[in-house]
Amino acid sequence: AQTVTQSQPEMSVQEAETVTLSCTYDTSESNYYLFWYKQPPSRQMILVIRQEAYKQQNATENRFSVNFQKAAKSFSLKISDSQLGDTAMYFCAFMRVGAGGTSYGKLTFGQGTILTVHP
Amino acid sequence: GAVVSQHPSRVICKSGTSVKIECRSLDFQATTMFWYRQFPKKSLMLMATSNEGSKATYEQGVEKDKFLINHASLTLSTLTVTSAHPEDSSFYICSARVWRGSSYEQYFGPGTRLTVT
Repeated sequence: AQTVTQSQPEMSVQEAETVTLSCTYDTSESNYYLFWYKQPPSRQMILVIRQEAYKQQNATENRFSVNFQKAAKSFSLKISDSQLGDTAMYFCAFMRVGAGGTSYGKLTFGQGTILTVHP
Repeated sequence: GAVVSQHPSRVICKSGTSVKIECRSLDFQATTMFWYRQFPKKSLMLMATSNEGSKATYEQGVEKDKFLINHASLTLSTLTVTSAHPEDSSFYICSARVWRGSSYEQYFGPGTRLTVT
């Protein structure tokens, strides 16, 4: 079974600054995806970024980037130039990918980190 | 982008009654739908996975007779909370998965807040 751990229950950052959210996971799988989801006060889950385990290059999406350390089973999210709209609960998640990439497991979520961006 | 809707967004029901929550994929056909439960400031807990036309697979500890899931079509799944009690009050989120040619994508509904009085 997979586990995902987010050790920071709450974080805060000043607007325009950079913040990094931590995530570690444990798995014996060799092929998987890792995700960061954002859940703002509206509670709509929004995909922020996705990383395929077989890719060495870290994924980036505009102000959001990850530091994927496969050997250490670490997957942190860096938010640059933080904006007030980034205030949300952030979840790290893991999904197993079957051989051939045609079967996918269920999402396993971490406990979440509440991020508050202050003006 | 792909849209998943849930109805109702909020519902209040009396203890002992049943309530049905609908989840629809509006512009795509979902191969698989998922139902999650979330308590305030907590993570999403997977309740069950359902595929169109087959029985749902429930996670350990989830009562299948209490949380009835029907996946009637590739665009509609329903969750019925039977004989609801105050401890069933929670935020319920559905999610739909679709094959996009090279990988699956999973989209989430906006959630339904259930309050049992």
